[in-house]
Amino acid sequence: QQPVQSPQAVILREGEDAVINCSSSKALYSVHWYRQKHGEAPVFLMILLKGGEQKGHDKISASFNEKKQQSSLYLTASQLSYSGTYFCGTDLIIQGAQKLVFGQGTRLTINP
Amino acid sequence: DSGVTQTPKHLITATGQRVTLRCSPRSGDLSVYWYQQSLDQGLQFLIQYYNGEERAKGNILERFSAQQFPDLHSELNLSSLELGDSALYFCASSEGLTIDGYTFGSGTRLTVV
Repeated sequence: QQPVQSPQAVILREGEDAVINCSSSKALYSVHWYRQKHGEAPVFLMILLKGGEQKGHDKISASFNEKKQQSSLYLTASQLSYSGTYFCGTDLIIQGAQKLVFGQGTRLTINP
Repeated sequence: DSGVTQTPKHLITATGQRVTLRCSPRSGDLSVYWYQQSLDQGLQFLIQYYNGEERAKGNILERFSAQQFPDLHSELNLSSLELGDSALYFCASSEGLTIDGYTFGSGTRLTVV
């Protein structure tokens, strides 16, 4: 049930681009993306709904391919503040209630 | 401040003991979720409540239990604690039952010695 993220870790220089992938073996209704800085709570970035909709947030965008059961998070011209662990979450609807299952995370390090 | 309040922030206790973690959801949110995050691990879903009722269960141990009260705050009870229970416990809330972004609290760091 747990989605699989790749890569597990990325190290970039400031200004470089990164792509984080998330795939699931189950049909997806939506994909969530969160960022967690060390010792802090995960922070919601965006939700993507089925239909291949692409969303953006500043220089962070994401796509969702429902047929492939995959989502990708794109970080463009990365900033130092982008460092952290990124989690994708896929939701399972059980008895009408959403249950969000998270991937194992991708640790992103941005160096000056 | 995310609007989700968790107390206490830190808890150190001995094996075999029982503790209670508390969560107040963001104003207007009816769903509360509990997650466990062990060192360098992902977020493991424990349990969900909606408007006072249990709605979904994850990999929650029998030694753990939770409830949501009429004022919508929730408590996670952990008993017969073991060293392996040491982790960050997060509470999150959302408005309803389905597709919605979660707002996480700052977590309770539990250390079992």
